[in-house]
Amino acid sequence: QSVLTQPPSTSTTPGQSVTISCSGSSFNIGNNYVHWYQQLPGTAPKLLIFRNNQRPSGVPDRFSGSKSGTSASLAISGLRSDDEGDYYCAAWDDSVTAWVFGGGTKLTVL
Amino acid sequence: DVQLLESGGGSVQSGGSLRLSCAASGFTFSNYAMSWVRQAPGKGLEWVSAISGSGTIPYYTDSVKGRFTISRDNSQNTLSLQMNRLRAEDTALYYCTKVFWVGVKAIPPDAFDIWGRGTIVTVSS
Repeated sequence: QSVLTQPPSTSTTPGQSVTISCSGSSFNIGNNYVHWYQQLPGTAPKLLIFRNNQRPSGVPDRFSGSKSGTSASLAISGLRSDDEGDYYCAAWDDSVTAWVFGGGTKLTVL
Repeated sequence: DVQLLESGGGSVQSGGSLRLSCAASGFTFSNYAMSWVRQAPGKGLEWVSAISGSGTIPYYTDSVKGRFTISRDNSQNTLSLQMNRLRAEDTALYYCTKVFWVGVKAIPPDAFDIWGRGTIVTVSS
């Protein structure tokens, strides 16, 4: 059972948009930054969004993040087949002095 | 080019030990906290341990406290994870990661902006 809660999977079609949710508590999301990682099949995770809504250099603006209270969301627009993979949210948790991850959401682009 | 390269993984019996290493390049290693994140087969990501840039402050997830020791050699730009009393549930792909913000005397609770390719640890019972 992960500290942060994400839907296990979501699917959509090319060109559409999707939003992946991440729910936590006041100890983690409510009081700290949320970060999102993308893990494409067979590869290492990659930082996609940091500090709630910041994109690292090279990440297209199709990807955006937001946070409200103890929840956060990752939005992806103009979906492409090569966006298929697993997406993880993460945050620092003050109660356990540790980084915590969501269980991951498997995105399928049919 | 910023790069992290892990090594030291392998197969070991339950109760055994392994030492993982991570060679860093392309950034001022001593300025940044570093971390290990693992991923069990078919499972999600789990943070394991982190260490400040100076090497004086370590953090561990509860399940590895007392068994794993994180360390770093800033003269060699190398991060290490000594893993003792290994258990079957430690079986995973172990990633070396860099913490985004500068953290010499502390570990900033920030994103992991650089990831290595990982090294596989298999513990048989």
